[in-house]
Amino acid sequence: EVPLVQSEAEVKKPGESLKISCKGSGYTFTNYWIGWVRQMPGKGLEWMGIIYPGDSDTRYSPSFQGQVTISADKSINTAYLQWSSLKASDSAMYYCARRDGVISAADYWGQGTLVTVSS
Amino acid sequence: EIVLTQSPGNLSLSPGERATLSCRASQSVSSYLAWYQQKPGQAPRLLIYGASSRATGIPDRFSGSGSGTDFTLTISRLEPEDFAVYYCQQYGSSLGTFGQGTKVEIK
Repeated sequence: EVPLVQSEAEVKKPGESLKISCKGSGYTFTNYWIGWVRQMPGKGLEWMGIIYPGDSDTRYSPSFQGQVTISADKSINTAYLQWSSLKASDSAMYYCARRDGVISAADYWGQGTLVTVSS
Repeated sequence: EIVLTQSPGNLSLSPGERATLSCRASQSVSSYLAWYQQKPGQAPRLLIYGASSRATGIPDRFSGSGSGTDFTLTISRLEPEDFAVYYCQQYGSSLGTFGQGTKVEIK
């Protein structure tokens, strides 16, 4: 089974806004944290932030605080990652991943959403 | 921020050989250490959590050990599907940080 399904790849221009999604299924969405991970081309993995859909408690890594917004709609089992003004340096693969708690490994991952920002 | 340093950066081995990957933390993470496998074009997959517990469905040729600052992932006999990049991740501090990865390639 694939518990996390992400939205399709996006091509945007600098300055545009974007919201990508991650839909959970097959488990109680509100009982697990959903995190977002960035992987820039040819590079490693970076945690951006996590959200607990049960009460929308959200934590951000310092590097991403103020740069993105993480949200969730528990009525449709979906978490979001949003930018208000994209930069070329936001071009990357973005993964969502499920965590049992803040102090927990990520046991399931979405398939990834490729974001390309280019003029 | 806790920094994880993985070694070696690249490991060239033949199928059937043993692979030993290292992850060192800049300060103690207790046993809050996970290992992930990533193949080209795929999302990471959890292999090991709690430093030594195998995730669901992971073959027993994968094993993890260590605590504090020094950790090891061992693949006892490499299968063709094991050639990939491996990342360690600590999750005991902040949201967690990843190592830079070790690429295990076919010799």
